[in-house]
Amino acid sequence: NAGVTQTPKFRVLKTGQSMTLLCAQDMNHEYMYWYRQDPGMGLRLIHYSVGEGTTAKGEVPDGYNVSRLKKQNFLLGLESAAPSQTSVYFCASSYSGTFSYEQYFGPGTRLTVT
Amino acid sequence: EDKVVQSPLSLVVHEGDTVTLNCSYEVTNFRSLLWYKQEKKAPTFLFMLTSSGIEKKSGRLSSILDKKELFSILNITATQTGDSAIYLCAVPGANSKLTFGKGITLSVRP
Repeated sequence: NAGVTQTPKFRVLKTGQSMTLLCAQDMNHEYMYWYRQDPGMGLRLIHYSVGEGTTAKGEVPDGYNVSRLKKQNFLLGLESAAPSQTSVYFCASSYSGTFSYEQYFGPGTRLTVT
Repeated sequence: EDKVVQSPLSLVVHEGDTVTLNCSYEVTNFRSLLWYKQEKKAPTFLFMLTSSGIEKKSGRLSSILDKKELFSILNITATQTGDSAIYLCAVPGANSKLTFGKGITLSVRP
């Protein structure tokens, strides 16, 4: 049982390049989330999904797109990377329902945009 | 918009000290409050609190919620260097989205 996994772990991009971050979970969770974490800023929600085929915007969605074609996978895309997107990206998943708010986090992807 | 404020933002103590970490919140519809510990990598879950006055405890860590005054505290007794981490507080909103505070960086010196 791997939990939540993320690939890649590290990536360096040049301004204007594109990339996709992959998140996978094997816990059969309905809900999945993408966060970014910057020093002194806590975790900020980029996009989330409440089920296969659904996505919604979070607090800081600009410059990112997502897709949830399969229940176990949640992809985060950067179409044209900017230095402001240098950050650590975390994926998380959780059960649906009103009593299961705990989110399970992946190990993170450290992205640097030069 | 839900809001979470943690204090202090950073703290340096010596092994054996007791520390109290604070979290205050404003939410439209309170469901619960969660504490996470983050070392080098992913945040790991510590506690979820839903009722006022009921202490949750795990070893040297304990936490309590005050729904009237809208805050929670996380206590760590007899601190160890392994307690050095960022401690995050969060409240869930619609669709279980979590709003996080900025985190408290705790450094425990030998």
